[in-house]
Order: sequence, then structure tokens, then C-alpha cells
Amino acid sequence: DAKTTQPTSMDCAEGRAANLPCNHSTISGNEYVYWYRQIHSQGPQYIIHGLKNNETNEMASLIITEDRKSSTLILPHATLRDTAVYYCIVRVLNRDDKIIFGKGTRLHILP
Amino acid sequence: ETGVTQTPRHLVMGMTNKKSLKCEQHLGHNAMYWYKQSAKKPLELMFVYNFKEQTENNSVPSRFSPECPNSSHLFLHLHTLQPEDSALYLCASSQGLGGIRNEQFFGPGTRLTVL
Repeated sequence: DAKTTQPTSMDCAEGRAANLPCNHSTISGNEYVYWYRQIHSQGPQYIIHGLKNNETNEMASLIITEDRKSSTLILPHATLRDTAVYYCIVRVLNRDDKIIFGKGTRLHILP
Repeated sequence: ETGVTQTPRHLVMGMTNKKSLKCEQHLGHNAMYWYKQSAKKPLELMFVYNFKEQTENNSVPSRFSPECPNSSHLFLHLHTLQPEDSALYLCASSQGLGGIRNEQFFGPGTRLTVL
């Protein structure tokens, strides 16, 4: 079973920041938080990952709470092309390196 | 363009047919994966290969038979499938297993319909 909880769907106006929450209250100390997204009819795409500190790259920012039980993915200026299903994943750092996908959040960017 | 290609993109087959899905990665990665995505269900990991050796078989029925002849190519051989096997089959690759930067790169998928 997925170890994360995400809202089923969210709407965001084009040009605004999209904030996608994720709960991972049972995360353990060696588990990282990863985000992927899947645009319709395409394979999932890696976005960002983090352990404890906030992270930023060219696609998004990841804010992880101090107790690491939840995180937020931020798309600073959402565009229509950001409409996708966003998956928050907790990855176990062992040799198997499984990614267990949950149902994700379906983000609709509204024009 | 992720560097992972899959062919065919769409496949319709009967339950008695034998077909194969092909995946190729141009990233120099060593690990490759098959996932299944059914309608309204999460992505399910099927098989994992690392340096051509299968390291994971996630209780997949034997009518799905993977083959990894080298680190760049991965096949999924299909035979006597059932209509409930209709799904999007996704291939992914990563630099290796484990580690903190082994994000997986996914191909576009093969949309399979079993009649």
C-alpha cells in the first residue's frame, strides 16, 4: 500500500501558485519524499525529491515540515501544461528501490 | 523526450495471440522496470531488472514473460492474455537500484487492449 495520502483533485488558476499537499505520517528516518507527475497519455515524470530540507529546482519547490509528516509541492506559476496527476511517494532506500504509486492528486489548471 | 522509448504505442490483441512489447533506453542506465497502469488504479510495479538480472517479480502471472537481453533493452512477451490485462504498460529505467538520486525515467507507454 502507498504510504502517502493526497487529495483526489485540485483546481488552480493559470499563473497562480499551485500548492499540492501530501501526508506521510508514518515516514521513517531514511525515507525520502519524491514527487512525480503524469500528464495524460504519458509516462510519469520525476519532479523533485527531499529528505528534511526544503528543495527547489527548475520545475518546483518542495516544502517538508519539520516533523517530516507532511510536505507540499509548489508549482510557482502554473500553466495549462501542468495539468496532470501528481504523485507523492515515500521511497525506501534499500536495494530494491521500489516506487509505490498511490492514486495521486489530479491537478486541473484553469484558464 | 525522456530517453526511454516504447513500441508499439498501441496494441490490440486477441486472447490467443502472442505479442511482445519493446522498451529501449538511451540513457546508459543499468536498471529497467515494467509497470502496469489499469484504469482508475495506481501504477503497479511488475518486474525489475538490474544489469540484465531480474531482481523483482511482483507476483505477476506467467502469461507475462519479461526478457532483458542487455541493459538498454527490455521486452515483455505476452501470451494467452485476458481482457482484464488491458492497460497501459510503462517501461522505466534508472541509473541503478537504491541510492538517493535514482529517479526513474519513464517511457510513453504501450496502450494494450485484449479482446
